[in-house]
Amino acid sequence: DIQMTQSPSSLSASVGDRVTITCRASQGIRNDLGWYQQKAGKAPKRLIYAASSLHSEVPSRFSGSASGTEFTLSISSLQPEDFATYYCLQYNDYPLTFGGGTKVEIK
Amino acid sequence: QVQLQESGPGLVKPSETLSLTCTVSGGSIGNGGAYWSWIRQHPGKGLEWIGYIYYTGSTYYNPSLSSPVTISIDTPQNQFSLQVNSVTAADTAVYYCARWDFSSTTFDFWGPGTLVTVSS
Repeated sequence: DIQMTQSPSSLSASVGDRVTITCRASQGIRNDLGWYQQKAGKAPKRLIYAASSLHSEVPSRFSGSASGTEFTLSISSLQPEDFATYYCLQYNDYPLTFGGGTKVEIK
Repeated sequence: QVQLQESGPGLVKPSETLSLTCTVSGGSIGNGGAYWSWIRQHPGKGLEWIGYIYYTGSTYYNPSLSSPVTISIDTPQNQFSLQVNSVTAADTAVYYCARWDFSSTTFDFWGPGTLVTVSS
C-alpha cells in the first residue's frame, strides 16, 4: 500500500494566518492526490484534485502544490470557517489511502 | 444535485454481519462515469477507504481491511450496499457512502455518515 504521511497532525493558528499542510507519499504517485476538509460530525468536502486544481466551489485562498512525492495544501489567509481537519488522498494506486489528517485549531 | 443517504442498524453483535445500504437520489447510478464507494472513520481517527463498485458490478476492495467485505449494487433501486462479515469491535466506525467521479477524480458527493457500533 502507498503510505501517506501527513504533517503536522495538528496546528493552532489565528484568523488571517497563512497555513501550510504537507503530505508525503511513500512512492511516486504522479499528481494523483486530492485534499478534503472535514468539520466535526460532518462528511468530508472536496477541495483540490490533481494536486493543484481547485474545485469550482472552493475559495481561492486554498491552493495545492506538488514537488516529487511531497504535496502541500496552503490556506493564504485563514478564515473562521476554515477551522477543521484536512486530509490528503492518493488515488494513484489501489487501495486508495488517506493521510492521517491535520486538525487546524483556533489559537 | 446528487444526494446519498446511508441506512442500516446502528448496533451489530460481534461475529455477525454488518449491512448498510446507500440510497442515491438526484442521479442514476446506472449512468456510468462514477464509482460508488464506502469509506469509514473509526471514532476520533482518520478516513479509511473500504472499496467501490461500478454500475456493471465490477468492484475494488481494500485488501488491508481486517474483516471481509462485499459491495453490491441494485441499479433499479438506485442503491448500493456494504456487507462486513464476522465483525469485531475494530469495525466500530462511522460509515460513509460517497461517489467517486471519474472526470474530476474526486469524491464529490457524500452521505452524512452513519455510526455503527459493534458490541454484545
